[in-house]
Amino acid sequence: KNEVEQSPQNLTAQEGEFITINCSYSVGISALHWLQQHPGGGIVSLFMLSSGKKKHGRLIATINIQEKHSSLHITASHPRDSAVYICAESGGSNYKLTFGKGTLLTVNP
Amino acid sequence: DGGITQSPKYLFRKEGQNVTLSCEQNLNHDAMYWYRQDPGQGLRLIYYSQIVNDFQKGDIAEGYSVSREKKESFPLTVTSAQKNPTAFYLCASNLAGYTGELFFGEGSRLTVL
Repeated sequence: KNEVEQSPQNLTAQEGEFITINCSYSVGISALHWLQQHPGGGIVSLFMLSSGKKKHGRLIATINIQEKHSSLHITASHPRDSAVYICAESGGSNYKLTFGKGTLLTVNP
Repeated sequence: DGGITQSPKYLFRKEGQNVTLSCEQNLNHDAMYWYRQDPGQGLRLIYYSQIVNDFQKGDIAEGYSVSREKKESFPLTVTSAQKNPTAFYLCASNLAGYTGELFFGEGSRLTVL
């Protein structure tokens, strides 16, 4: 059974700090997703990657297939980055994503 | 603007009543999904549909039903058989047959009184 573990569960940072959220999964994947959920509940897709590294603005996602591990980095964090960050992996099918429980990030001004 | 619209955002139901949550997308996506989110747990798949007039059960389909009569619409009915229906429900879509980016609606919060 696929399992997705995220760490930390909760993270508090000061504005400007560099943030790292980790995601480990148990079986081989075809794609790993990073999602952002704001307090209102809506979810936005940040990245989908199957190898290497992707960057969008201040967000960077990396994945190590051999170690079954992915990280989401936020540079120069800002209070508006406060949200729950969720990773999900497909295990070969985008119809059967397995989701982590999420990391609650709070960035204080 | 293209996107997914869920309604209602908040819904209260008495025990024994069926309720239907609406999900409409104008992204021309073939695949649509319904997920349930409970506190402290990851999203869990209820039903998914890859094409019009076809859908498959996810991991927690008991007590739920869906239909896919139109490409843009994928309503979810929470029946009285669902033992613990109070939850946050999210609809999503993406291009079928492609491991692609998921697009989510804003969610519907159902509370059973």
